[in-house]
Amino acid sequence: DSGVTQTPKHLITATGQRVTLRCSPRSGDLSVYWYQQSLDQGLQFLIQYYNGEERAKGNILERFSAQQFPDLHSELNLSSLELGDSALYFCASSGAGTENSPLHFGNGTRLTVT
Amino acid sequence: DQQVKQNSPSLSVQEGRISILNCDYTNSMFDYFLWYKKYPAEGPTFLISISSIKDKNEDGRFTVFLNKSAKHLSLHIVPSQPGDSAVYFCAASDGSSNTGKLIFGQGTTLQVKP
Repeated sequence: DSGVTQTPKHLITATGQRVTLRCSPRSGDLSVYWYQQSLDQGLQFLIQYYNGEERAKGNILERFSAQQFPDLHSELNLSSLELGDSALYFCASSGAGTENSPLHFGNGTRLTVT
Repeated sequence: DQQVKQNSPSLSVQEGRISILNCDYTNSMFDYFLWYKKYPAEGPTFLISISSIKDKNEDGRFTVFLNKSAKHLSLHIVPSQPGDSAVYFCAASDGSSNTGKLIFGQGTTLQVKP
């Protein structure tokens, strides 16, 4: 158990809809990262928050947004969903926001857009 | 532009033998490298890491080798066990980016046959 909790585990929705994925980092971790894994692909970095502030942005679509709350949990909002958004979305956390250190991943949210 | 590449999608070895998983990178600014293991329906789990100031790091049955001049790293598992069957991801981090985010390869599926 990594200590990172993601909800829901599975999500099925229709094109055009909006969903929110939730992540609770390990206790004490200040950084939260969001990654997307599409079919047969590696993990693609989306965005990082550190102690409530955006720290880095990857190839995140404009239809997607995220935030980190004062209690350090994070939400990833996906809107105007398209079939191609179907993927596994992973959240990870680390104690540091800048130094090299392993990230600890949750078990992911599987999003299916129909 | 894929900065971290795992050119072998799959690898099959016999139990007790050595498994060698390879990874190449293109960004010379990467200074920290990690291997993650992923079982189905779970998030990636940190396995072992290596800093660019070293060329080898060992942890039990797992050893990671880094060849900076070739921009290549490898993970050796000796002896391989059936429980090692999983997808292995290579990842890299650029410490100077001040983020701690990881760039992942596509993954290699390892099957260890009893």
